[in-house]
Amino acid sequence: GIQVEQSPPDLILQEGANSTLRCNFSDSVNNLQWFHQNPWGQLINLFYIPSGTKQNGRLSATTVATERYSLLYISSSQTTDSGVYFCAVVDNTDKLIFGTGTRLQVFP
Amino acid sequence: DTGVSQNPRHKITKRGQNVTFRCDPISEHNRLYWYRQTLGQGPEFLTYFQNEAQLEKSRLLSDRFSAERPKGSFSTLEIQRTEQGDSAMYLCASSPTGFPYEQYFGPGTRLTVT
Repeated sequence: GIQVEQSPPDLILQEGANSTLRCNFSDSVNNLQWFHQNPWGQLINLFYIPSGTKQNGRLSATTVATERYSLLYISSSQTTDSGVYFCAVVDNTDKLIFGTGTRLQVFP
Repeated sequence: DTGVSQNPRHKITKRGQNVTFRCDPISEHNRLYWYRQTLGQGPEFLTYFQNEAQLEKSRLLSDRFSAERPKGSFSTLEIQRTEQGDSAMYLCASSPTGFPYEQYFGPGTRLTVT
């Protein structure tokens, strides 16, 4: 099956810093989503981005499907950005396959 | 649109007991998914439904697990004879059948088996 790898596994930032999270996947995919999991466990949709670039406020994402990777950019980080960021891909069986996540801690 | 809801939010049970969780999807979504997440890991797929039909089951879904979606609306996930290894967060998601197929998750049910 498809393998999804995320890097870095942990990231510690001071408020105001920028960061880039990476997601590599091992095969062609039909869909790619980025999620933020808050401390209570809720998965919050950030982007649905099988290809191309999207922006939403301080967050943006780029997926290069032909090279099998996606990037999530966080600019001017805030303490509320803390949590775990997951990349998940959908193969031809319609289920999401998640990476192991990047744990982000933003300190004031 | 009230989002995906799950009940209960927390469940503590003794080993050997049966438990049942409920998921109510976003009302216009035909697809409903169950995932399980253990500490420090990403969610793993368990099973999914399109309307009332169960289309796929993971090898993770042992014989002690059963899921239903009898009228194509809410779904239940039952675990019989719970084991300590069943302790996890159980997540439900829903999506439309048409583009863009984006999955939306509920808040999860955290199960602790003592």
